Amino acid sequence: EAQVTQNPRYLITVTGKKLTVTCSQNMNHEYMSWYRQDPGLGLRQIYYSMNVEVTDKGDVPEGYKVSRKEKRNFPLILESPSPNQTSLYFCASSTLTGLAYEQYFGPGTRLTVT
Amino acid sequence: AQTVTQSQPEMSVQEAETVTLSCTYDTSESDYYLFWYKQPPSRQMILVIRQEAYKQQNATENRFSVNFQKAAKSFSLKISDSQLGDAAMYFCAYSDSTLGRLYFGRGTQLTVWP
Repeated sequence: EAQVTQNPRYLITVTGKKLTVTCSQNMNHEYMSWYRQDPGLGLRQIYYSMNVEVTDKGDVPEGYKVSRKEKRNFPLILESPSPNQTSLYFCASSTLTGLAYEQYFGPGTRLTVT
Repeated sequence: AQTVTQSQPEMSVQEAETVTLSCTYDTSESDYYLFWYKQPPSRQMILVIRQEAYKQQNATENRFSVNFQKAAKSFSLKISDSQLGDAAMYFCAYSDSTLGRLYFGRGTQLTVWP
C-alpha cells in the first residue's frame, strides 16, 4: 500500500529536550516536505526537499532541522524544542513528474512541548 | 510569498443541498496548480480535487467541482448533494510549478446538517 508514515503519532516532551520525528514514504517520490498546522493558521511549510541531499527552507524554518540522506526518509529534528513548537505536524511527499505536485500526506504527529 | 485566502471560516449546509466554498490567491505566475484538501476529524489530509492553471476547463470529481477564474484569481469549490461525511475542514492550496511548494489558506469548517 502506497503511504507516508510518521512516528511517533503523539509526543509530549519538555522544553530543550532534542527530538526527532521520522517520516518515510514507499512511493519513490523525489519531493518531501514538512508542515505544521496551528488553529486558525492553516498549514505552513517548514522545510522541503526536491531530492536526496537537497533541502530548502519553507515559511517557518526557525527552530527546525531536516536531512535527506535517503530518498524515502525525511526526518524533522527539533534541537531544543520550545512551547511555541507545540503543533500538529504533517509530512508529505510527491512525484515531480506526471501528475506533479499532488502531495500525499502522512497521518500527522501531535507534539506538545511543556 | 504566495498568499491564499479563504474568507469563510465556517459554512453550513443541509444534507442533499449544494454549498460553495470560496478561495482567492495571489500570484504573478502563469503556470501553477490549485488544490482543495479535506481534513475530517481524523486529521488526515485528503486531496479532493486539483486544477492546472493552463487548463481552462473546470475540474470535476463526482459531486465536487471547481469554478476556476484565472483572471480573477479565484478557485471556489462546489459540493453538490452534500452528505454527512462531507463535514470537515476544507483547505484551498496553491503550488508553484517551478518550486513545488504548497501554500495553504486558513481553512473553512464545513458543517452538514441532517
